[in-house]
Amino acid sequence: KNEVEQSPQNLTAQEGEFITINCSYSVGISALHWLQQHPGGGIVSLFMLSSGKKKHGRLIATINIQEKHSSLHITASHPRDSAVYICAAYNTDKLIFGTGTRLQVFP
Amino acid sequence: DTGVSQNPRHKITKRGQNVTFRCDPISEHNRLYWYRQTLGQGPEFLTYFQNEAQLEKSRLLSDRFSAERPKGSFSTLEIQRTEQGDSAMYLCASSPLAGGRNEQFFGPGTRLTVL
Repeated sequence: KNEVEQSPQNLTAQEGEFITINCSYSVGISALHWLQQHPGGGIVSLFMLSSGKKKHGRLIATINIQEKHSSLHITASHPRDSAVYICAAYNTDKLIFGTGTRLQVFP
Repeated sequence: DTGVSQNPRHKITKRGQNVTFRCDPISEHNRLYWYRQTLGQGPEFLTYFQNEAQLEKSRLLSDRFSAERPKGSFSTLEIQRTEQGDSAMYLCASSPLAGGRNEQFFGPGTRLTVL
């Protein structure tokens, strides 16, 4: 069992739909990163959070430390949101990554 | 702020050859991380530096791999006697301060193909 697990692995959506990606972790963490990776490999940090909820534009990230669970929500999804979304847990100064969720949003 | 840069972006080599990758972090970032990502998987931690000191190495980092950050600025990752299993994307990231809560900023990666 991976220390950081994501679901679903693949997700397709119609433009405008509300998207939820889930992340569960089994290790102790000081913070959790949500990252976006486009084809070609570049990784962009979306959020880093250690409690509660953060919002940036159409993206919302929440974390429940007691339940060791985090979610990434995308409201009003758009084809440009198509990418791989990765959650990564900060554990003793390094990141432990999930395997990613591949999202495709169709017009 | 030019972000984290990595060179080369792509490298194709024959099995048995040595390769070296370079990472230039965001200036004044104390911490520099190396990760490896194979197709369809999330990145895996390889090693990290705080300034010029290499603080931790993963068991993934066999004795064919060596990383340096001689002046606490740029870093190099060398793979000796490459094997086909070394084919992957090698990612570098930097963060501004010590401690596990600081956001990491990633470079574009170096994609290695070993023939």
